Amino acid sequence: EAGVAQSPRYKIIEKRQSVAFWCNPISGHATLYWYQQILGQGPKLLIQFQNNGVVDDSQLPKDRFSAERLKGVDSTLKIQPAKLEDSAVYLCASSPGETQYFGPGTRLLVL
Amino acid sequence: RKEVEQDPGPFNVPEGATVAFNCTYSNSASQSFFWYRQDCRKEPKLLMSVYSSGNEDGRFTAQLNRASQYISLLIRDSKLSDSATYLCVVNMGGGGNKLTFGTGTQLKVEL
Repeated sequence: EAGVAQSPRYKIIEKRQSVAFWCNPISGHATLYWYQQILGQGPKLLIQFQNNGVVDDSQLPKDRFSAERLKGVDSTLKIQPAKLEDSAVYLCASSPGETQYFGPGTRLLVL
Repeated sequence: RKEVEQDPGPFNVPEGATVAFNCTYSNSASQSFFWYRQDCRKEPKLLMSVYSSGNEDGRFTAQLNRASQYISLLIRDSKLSDSATYLCVVNMGGGGNKLTFGTGTQLKVEL
């Protein structure tokens, strides 16, 4: 079974630029999550989708971050404009129930 | 107080040793508990679920104490390949299957 796919794997941008990340969950998984993992910390939930609806986006910095899952499958996470403190690994996960399966992540460096 | 608290380590142990990690959580209404493993520069992967009755999987034993809001992971006969960061994860309840991660405990198993 194919796992969660993410792209790009690495991205380097300058502050104030915009960036987008893409996630393709495991087939059939209705729930999709985006996490931010800063070096030395555990993953922090940014947003959770159930099919194409948002379940929880309470920790998403909505002034600069946005996410969508238009057809209930793939999802994109965007940051505009990026700040230095956005440097982190952005992990996508999907779930058929309680267990979450993570993708390899996108490593973002903001200079 | 952090929602999920772990000693970051690192724990440096010789091969064959027994090592134990502890974790505390703040929300007494939390519903389910997990240990995830994260290798360096990789995504987190589910190691095991934690039940009130305890849970054993080979060399790994997880225990939950709801009264003390405390979770533990015991690794017996440590292998070099056990070197990783172990993340304590709590489903805080309230619907939506939202997981809260600790910062992780780093384990280094040495020859």
